Amino acid sequence: QKEVEQNSGPLSVPEGAIASLNCTYSDRGSQSFFWYRQYSGKSPELIMFIYSNGDKEDGRFTAQLNKASQYVSLLIRDSQPSDSATYLCAPATGANNLFFGTGTRLTVIP
Amino acid sequence: GAVVSQHPSWVICKSGTSVKIECRSLDFQATTMFWYRQFPKQSLMLMATSNEGSKATYEQGVEKDKFLINHASLTLSTLTVTSAHPEDSSFYICSAVQGVHEQYFGPGTRLTVT
Repeated sequence: QKEVEQNSGPLSVPEGAIASLNCTYSDRGSQSFFWYRQYSGKSPELIMFIYSNGDKEDGRFTAQLNKASQYVSLLIRDSQPSDSATYLCAPATGANNLFFGTGTRLTVIP
Repeated sequence: GAVVSQHPSWVICKSGTSVKIECRSLDFQATTMFWYRQFPKQSLMLMATSNEGSKATYEQGVEKDKFLINHASLTLSTLTVTSAHPEDSSFYICSAVQGVHEQYFGPGTRLTVT
């Protein structure tokens, strides 16, 4: 049974702070990891993906992957109110399937 | 790039009727598309995998005769909800795969069955 667990929310951070979103997964065969952002009532939007251990930075977003610990995280620097959304972690399997966590709801307080 | 559209964006239908939802990849070809369903305050639930030119693969518990999927071309997949009932009311979202694993989602279709 493949499982994806994300830190329980909701998570609230003040504007300008760093938001840290965590995810653990059970399938050691997962090679690719995706972070999606979903605004209320909208479909998910791909914001980052990471394949290799270590950090990957894209603008204000940094994804961190540790395959040995089966852990992936997303850091959002200089958080903005527009970052308020649910963030979904999704490891991929060899069959193109993504397994979504239940998501962490982030609120950035102005 | 990587734009996926869905049509319609919302639909209301009467119980017992059928509804077709289209999913198109606008600027890339997608051999594989996925159909998800999402109920309020719940996570995405994968319904089926749609592969161009072959039969769809359904997840456990999803009735293939009720949710008909056709992936007739590399840019179009359709989901038909047959004999819809109020419990089928949900947010239906498709995604298309570009590259190895990157899934790009359509904007979703909100179905209400009365």
